[in-house]
Amino acid sequence: DGGITQSPKYLFRKEGQNVTLSCEQNLNHDAMYWYRQDPGQGLRLIYYSQIVNDFQKGDIAEGYSVSREKKESFPLTVTSAQKNPTAFYLCASSINTGESNEKLFFGSGTQLSVL
Amino acid sequence: AQKITQTQPGMFVQEKEAVTLDCTYDTSDQSYGLFWYKQPSSGEMIFLIYQGSYDEQNATEGRYSLNFQKARKSANLVISASQLGDSAMYFCAMREGRGGGGNKLTFGTGTQLKVEL
Repeated sequence: DGGITQSPKYLFRKEGQNVTLSCEQNLNHDAMYWYRQDPGQGLRLIYYSQIVNDFQKGDIAEGYSVSREKKESFPLTVTSAQKNPTAFYLCASSINTGESNEKLFFGSGTQLSVL
Repeated sequence: AQKITQTQPGMFVQEKEAVTLDCTYDTSDQSYGLFWYKQPSSGEMIFLIYQGSYDEQNATEGRYSLNFQKARKSANLVISASQLGDSAMYFCAMREGRGGGGNKLTFGTGTQLKVEL
């Protein structure tokens, strides 16, 4: 079955440590996205990529980094510069036609907590 | 200013009853799209329904319908005949503009719906 796989489901970070969240899709989608979800704040866009080897900052990119070396993969690194990393992280993808009715497909998320 | 406002943090509804989840939006674009997603406790976001700004008819998808009032900038989700499995967090989202710039959705803060027997 086609879909988006995020791993791990739970991740713990120590102070000063970088951690990487994995996102893989087999939907053959061009665009991929990372959102952060905090209680009571909805989803906020961290980074997005419309094509391989290209990505743009979203609304809250500080303290995060991404890469897009393969169409299927869009890993997110939470760096030590991110002072409040505890949150639920959702990866998404879309075909990227640019049409207003284009929906996002989401993974099942990764819960990141600070030890 | 918030682009998407969901004023109901939590809602209760009895099984088999209908429920309306409110969503208002703010945009100066003439072309935009409105989405509703469901997030069960498992965490995955599930697409429910879409309404385009130029659509004259309200969108419907099975038990879901979207009450689109363009002049009021509201896009309320109506769930008919509620089921226990409808208990989840519901998010309203908007995509502004048409074409290019990535398919960036702006989300509201969500409404937690609980369906009771």
